[in-house]
Amino acid sequence: KNQVEQSPQSLIILEGKNCTLQCNYTVSPFSNLRWYKQDTGRGPVSLTIMTFSENTKSNGRYTATLDADTKQSSLHITASQLSDSASYICVVSGGGANNLFFGTGTRLTVIP
Amino acid sequence: DTAVSQTPKYLVTQMGNDKSIKCEQNLGHDTMYWYKQDSKKFLKIMFSYNNKELIINETVPNRFSPKSPDKAHLNLHINSLELGDSAVYFCASSHEKKRLYNEQFFGPGTRLTVL
Repeated sequence: KNQVEQSPQSLIILEGKNCTLQCNYTVSPFSNLRWYKQDTGRGPVSLTIMTFSENTKSNGRYTATLDADTKQSSLHITASQLSDSASYICVVSGGGANNLFFGTGTRLTVIP
Repeated sequence: DTAVSQTPKYLVTQMGNDKSIKCEQNLGHDTMYWYKQDSKKFLKIMFSYNNKELIINETVPNRFSPKSPDKAHLNLHINSLELGDSAVYFCASSHEKKRLYNEQFFGPGTRLTVL
């Protein structure tokens, strides 16, 4: 069964600290993996996308990694800011018809 | 300069009513989508549609129907609203030729509350 699981469900960190969000998937065949950021009351916005051959990609303070062998991805946020407070959603494309499989998201709260 | 817009932003209505949510994109994309985000914040695709093909998630009740007057618009019509339809509905769009990368641009969402 094609699934995407994220952990933790929620996370609270102090401003300036780093954190890492996890995404495990069972989608096969795999096409790509994308991390989205969803601010409260807004639609998701793409942060990074990685294909099978890429194992790391950065977008400012956000760095995503991908291990296609273990089917795991992580999103590392460096020097967190209050504006990083949002839900982060892992989306895997694949399953034979380039369907999209959404994780349930990690709710990150950055406090001063 | 809004890329994907939805109206209304909030919709409160009685059970049994019929309502529509409108979506417009000015990105020149040829594929549009509707998603439902439930109270647990899980995004679930309902439809994907371009000028060639409508793909329906089989779990979506037939009370929901997408209507596309042109490539830039995909409206969602809901008949006989039920309490369980309360959720946030997101419209999104993408370019079919970049489908491999599936980058979708999302609208701001419509919060539907059925009383």
